[in-house]
Amino acid sequence: DVKVTQSSRYLVKRTGEKVFLECVQDMDHENMFWYRQDPGLGLRLIYFSYDVKMKEKGDIPEGYSVSREKKERFSLILESASTNQTSMYLCASSYRGRGELFFGEGSRLTVL
Amino acid sequence: RKEVEQDPGPFNVPEGATVAFNCTYSNSASQSFFWYRQDCRKEPKLLMSVYSSGNEDGRFTAQLNRASQYISLLIRDSKLSDSATYLCVVNLNTGNQFYFGTGTSLTVIP
Repeated sequence: DVKVTQSSRYLVKRTGEKVFLECVQDMDHENMFWYRQDPGLGLRLIYFSYDVKMKEKGDIPEGYSVSREKKERFSLILESASTNQTSMYLCASSYRGRGELFFGEGSRLTVL
Repeated sequence: RKEVEQDPGPFNVPEGATVAFNCTYSNSASQSFFWYRQDCRKEPKLLMSVYSSGNEDGRFTAQLNRASQYISLLIRDSKLSDSATYLCVVNLNTGNQFYFGTGTSLTVIP
């Protein structure tokens, strides 16, 4: 069974803290994505990666960075968390150029 | 203009009813189409892909109309367990451009 695993389901952080969200997929997918989902706004793309060490900005990259050192792992970093980054963060992966997205279970981040 | 638009609902229907959702997309180059189901506080999960000829999976039927640029999802004989948010997803087949509707909320009432 295919699987996308996000390391933390629930996190509570303070303003200014550095936050790491990790995602691992076991399907040998080339593409990996980070989205955030907020009520009324739907899913918005933060960053995506189409290969190891490759990354491209999505629609809302400000305040975020990413790292992809291995094909199966894609990390999202909040250098200095702010309250407006309180959200549900969803990692997803797909084959390049075809097929659907597979999502992780999500990481619900609260920044106080 | 949004890439993908859906009626957010909510749709409240009795058990056994038939309900239909539509979704319109703006980019005529779109190649792949999907319906995802998302339960409250959970991740989206693929319900079904949408093929040009239309496709059916049990009580669910998906159709694509390229000329009018919309896709539809029909649920027959609704069950309480169908209560969820249904997301329309469109892909340009470039590998990285997936566009999401904001979702349509369905509640099936006993």
